[in-house]
Amino acid sequence: QVQLQESGPGLVKPSETLSLTCTVSGYAISSGYYWGWIRQPPGKGLEWIGSIYHSGSTYYKPSLKSRVTISVDTSKNQFSLRLTSVTAADTAVYYCARQSCSGDFCYSSAAFDIWGQGTMVTVSS
Amino acid sequence: SYELTQPPSVSVSPGQAASITCSGDKLGDKYASWYQQKPGQSPVLVIYQDTKRPSGIPERFSGSNSGNTATLTISGTQAMDEADYYCQAWDSSTNWVFGGGTKLTVL
Repeated sequence: QVQLQESGPGLVKPSETLSLTCTVSGYAISSGYYWGWIRQPPGKGLEWIGSIYHSGSTYYKPSLKSRVTISVDTSKNQFSLRLTSVTAADTAVYYCARQSCSGDFCYSSAAFDIWGQGTMVTVSS
Repeated sequence: SYELTQPPSVSVSPGQAASITCSGDKLGDKYASWYQQKPGQSPVLVIYQDTKRPSGIPERFSGSNSGNTATLTISGTQAMDEADYYCQAWDSSTNWVFGGGTKLTVL
């Protein structure tokens, strides 16, 4: 079955860059779908950060766009998140997820159907 | 930017139906999805494309979407359904967006 697993540092200093990787097993990223990053600050709701289409097209939350980069490495079947200039407000559980839908560029109907277990990232000096 | 609004909390008695609403401008013209999240766990997709249930989701979960409101209904609510529920949609101004979440309490 399809599984996603986040990995990366659990502690990042303020003003530095947060980098996380999502390793996908059971499905080739290059075959299709969108692949997204979502975060959840402690005690708060879900916030979509950004997504990448299997072809490489990227989509970012407007308020985070200047700090976010999502990339894909099909040879490793991984996609990654970089968030620059982090502050305490970026402290959260970060999830990666598959967004499945039918047809090409089906973004309007894409739902987050498979999620990773999440990884806690704390921004602190 | 596009926003989805949910009530912070909903309470229901065991065996009764629970309805959780999600409001957004012309939401009925978009596809709504719903996620269940229990404490310490990752979210689980329970409804997609307004009314469809993924494999393994009980039939008591159903969805509708019309006008400015999408609704998740849980019929015959069980104690195991107590969780946070989030709606989600896509809009050209914000791409994917989640509602603020609703805590469902089964009393």
